[in-house]
Amino acid sequence: AQKITQTQPGMFVQEKEAVTLDCTYDTSDPSYGLFWYKQPSSGEMIFLIYQGSYDQQNATEGRYSLNFQKARKSANLVISASQLGDSAMYFCAMREGRVNQGGKLIFGQGTELSVKP
Amino acid sequence: EPEVTQTPSHQVTQMGQEVILRCVPISNHLYFYWYRQILGQKVEFLVSFYNNEISEKSEIFDDQFSVERPDGSNFTLKIRSTKLEDSAMYFCASSEAGGNTIYFGEGSWLTVV
Repeated sequence: AQKITQTQPGMFVQEKEAVTLDCTYDTSDPSYGLFWYKQPSSGEMIFLIYQGSYDQQNATEGRYSLNFQKARKSANLVISASQLGDSAMYFCAMREGRVNQGGKLIFGQGTELSVKP
Repeated sequence: EPEVTQTPSHQVTQMGQEVILRCVPISNHLYFYWYRQILGQKVEFLVSFYNNEISEKSEIFDDQFSVERPDGSNFTLKIRSTKLEDSAMYFCASSEAGGNTIYFGEGSWLTVV
């Protein structure tokens, strides 16, 4: 079974608008971490945001926020005020177990975001 | 800002040849990883390394693969006898003890012909 599911292969958003990229996960471990990475066409993996399973508040980093709904096992990324430079592939990932103990990341299939001028 | 660096950025090799991909993790990090991404596909875990030994490996990481930390700064991935299906982007990553975030290098694109 897929541990990380990103159901949107591609998304379009108008510049300056907000966009939500969906991610659902599956784990029986009570301790886990959820991550979002951006991969532009140049290929590098850029860390965007992290949410721990025990965190009470949704994570935010500048224009990025993570809409964490634990009961639904979803960790959607919200990008506010989209910019042309946001056009990229976005990957959701999960790390099981005690997240500061070196566990591996499991990635979703990715969502390709295109920002229209 | 400290970063993970990888060399080479791109390598073309003949099938059957050995390849070594090199990585310099962030200096105070203790956990090291290799991931790969076949073109157009998701990122897949290969191996994690801690305290000078492999802590976890995937089924992809068979006997053709090995990792080494030959000195205090480098972390290498060796593919002994490359196959066409080894063509992929290989990412090195690292994280610090007690840290939540895994930082990735810019990747090494391997093309096997």
